Amino acid sequence: EAGVTQFPSHSVIEKGQTVTLRCDPISGHDNLYWYRRVMGKEIKFLLHFVKESKQDESGMPNNRFLAERTGGTYSTLKVQPAELEDSGVYFCASSLQGAQGTGELFFGEGSRLTVL
Amino acid sequence: GDSVTQMEGPVTLSEEAFLTINCTYTATGYPSLFWYVQYPGEGLQLLLKATKADDKGSNKGFEATYRKETTSFHLEKGSVQVSDSAVYFCALRTGANNLFFGTGTRLTVIP
Repeated sequence: EAGVTQFPSHSVIEKGQTVTLRCDPISGHDNLYWYRRVMGKEIKFLLHFVKESKQDESGMPNNRFLAERTGGTYSTLKVQPAELEDSGVYFCASSLQGAQGTGELFFGEGSRLTVL
Repeated sequence: GDSVTQMEGPVTLSEEAFLTINCTYTATGYPSLFWYVQYPGEGLQLLLKATKADDKGSNKGFEATYRKETTSFHLEKGSVQVSDSAVYFCALRTGANNLFFGTGTRLTVIP
């Protein structure tokens, strides 16, 4: 069974440009999460989808970030326009069970974003 | 708010040495505690977990005990191997699905 896959693995863009990261969760997992790790600091929560709906987007840093999950399958995270401080590793995770369960989160390898 | 404080690295050990990576937490309510590991070129993987006080999580020779009185969840292994070289993250989760992670500790084991 395929795990969580993320694309691209590494993206280098200039300040002001746009980048779109994609996450394909494990098939059948309704819960999808985005996290990011900036400059070797802690991994921070960005948002949580249940199917196509945003359950919790309290961690989204500002309105330059837009996450979508059309059809409740894969998700995209767009940064527009990118700033230097957006550089980091963006992790996606999925789980079968939601908040009422103890569903394990399965993480992808992460997408490294470098903004120059 | 909820947070995790983790021993900063990097940590370099010789093969067969004893490993301890400290982790303490602050949380409202009763969190579940986790250790995740990221091996080179791979995603984060759940290493072990404990869901209530005094529980001991264990996997692959690693252990961690949920200590409510000291709000700690230190990771230990009696004899590390080169293949244990990775970045280790302590994390907690309270009622919601949101995981709070520490900063990560890079472990390098040399032969």
